[in-house]
Amino acid sequence: GAGVSQSPRYKVAKRGQDVALRCDPISGHVSLFWYQQALGQGPEFLTYFQNEAQLDKSGLPSDRFFAERPEGSVSTLKIQRTQQEDSAVYLCASSHFRGRAYNEQFFGPGTRLTVL
Amino acid sequence: DQQVKQNSPSLSVQEGRISILNCDYTNSMFDYFLWYKKYPAEGPTFLISISSIKDKNEDGRFTVFLNKSAKHLSLHIVPSQPGDSAVYFCAASVDFNKFYFGSGTKLNVKP
Repeated sequence: GAGVSQSPRYKVAKRGQDVALRCDPISGHVSLFWYQQALGQGPEFLTYFQNEAQLDKSGLPSDRFFAERPEGSVSTLKIQRTQQEDSAVYLCASSHFRGRAYNEQFFGPGTRLTVL
Repeated sequence: DQQVKQNSPSLSVQEGRISILNCDYTNSMFDYFLWYKKYPAEGPTFLISISSIKDKNEDGRFTVFLNKSAKHLSLHIVPSQPGDSAVYFCAASVDFNKFYFGSGTKLNVKP
């Protein structure tokens, strides 16, 4: 079956531009996560949705970052007025949710954002 | 402040031998630990996990060991195969919904 897909795969933006990154989770997955992975580092948590509810956005680095999942499926991560330090791979992951237990997170291939 | 650390950026091992990847953490509240494998241009894929109530979990060639007193986690791969060459990330969680990742170890298994 289809896995998690992300688009675009690559994005080059000029400093100050706004960008929107899309994530299509696995169908039926309740939970959706966004991570930021800088070069040579591991993924860093940005935000988490359960259906359309954003339950944790503690990892968003500034108010220029905004995520939404209005219908509980597709999610968009928006970055306003991009800065060079925003250059990274943005990973999306989704999982089932069955109460307080670990459910495997399936990751998409990521969007590589380069801010010039 | 990095709560999960992988101090070895790379590891090279001969095919057939054991690969040991290490991970240290600082938060004693972590109660679930995972290892992910990542190939270039792909997202990480789940490999194996362990709950803090256990000290060992085995799945085929992969075994994860947890030493809570030392706040140390390791992944053993035996025997190592060239297809195991990838970047390995350890991750830890308190509530299953927020995971902290290490910076990764690039494993190269030489034929």
